[in-house]
Amino acid sequence: GDSVTQMEGPVTLSEEAFLTINCTYTATGYPSLFWYVQYPGEGLQLLLKATKADDKGSNKGFEATYRKETTSFHLEKGSVQVSDSAVYFCALSDIKAAGNKLTFGGGTRVLVKP
Amino acid sequence: DGGITQSPKYLFRKEGQNVTLSCEQNLNHDAMYWYRQDPGQGLRLIYYSQIVNDFQKGDIAEGYSVSREKKESFPLTVTSAQKNPTAFYLCASSIAQGGFQPQHFGDGTRLSIL
Repeated sequence: GDSVTQMEGPVTLSEEAFLTINCTYTATGYPSLFWYVQYPGEGLQLLLKATKADDKGSNKGFEATYRKETTSFHLEKGSVQVSDSAVYFCALSDIKAAGNKLTFGGGTRVLVKP
Repeated sequence: DGGITQSPKYLFRKEGQNVTLSCEQNLNHDAMYWYRQDPGQGLRLIYYSQIVNDFQKGDIAEGYSVSREKKESFPLTVTSAQKNPTAFYLCASSIAQGGFQPQHFGDGTRLSIL
């Protein structure tokens, strides 16, 4: 079945540092890929998405490129802020799966210190 | 503003008691989902519904039940058969078809056992 693996946290950074969160996936079909962010005590918010190979999703300074050859969708941000402290989830949705279901990675907690 | 409303934000259950978590959306989405999130872990799918009066089991449906009598509502009942119900429950919705569409999440309900 489909699966998503992302690096374990917590990741602790200083403000203005470069952030990378690795995400790799296994899928039988041709998935769409997503990054969601969860702030403390809240639900998930869509951060960015990519629907085909070599697509780059971007939002709020975050970027991720859909790499079919390495089955990866790593999240990057060039200069993080304290407000970026959150849990980040990589997820996929397989077009062949019924119901537009999402498969999530385990989440990566990011803590940005001033 | 369109969105997903989950209530209550916090819920306490006594042993042997059923409780129902509310989820309402005004996004006119066809598909709705329930996820369970345990501390430090990713999201696991409990049930989903692609259309009114129809729903399917997800990966961890045992001990839970749902109904979908209206497009905008998808309540989840945690029954006494669920032996470890303490968790954060998230409801989501999306346009049903395609696999390209992101899911939109509510702010969650935190369920605890007294």
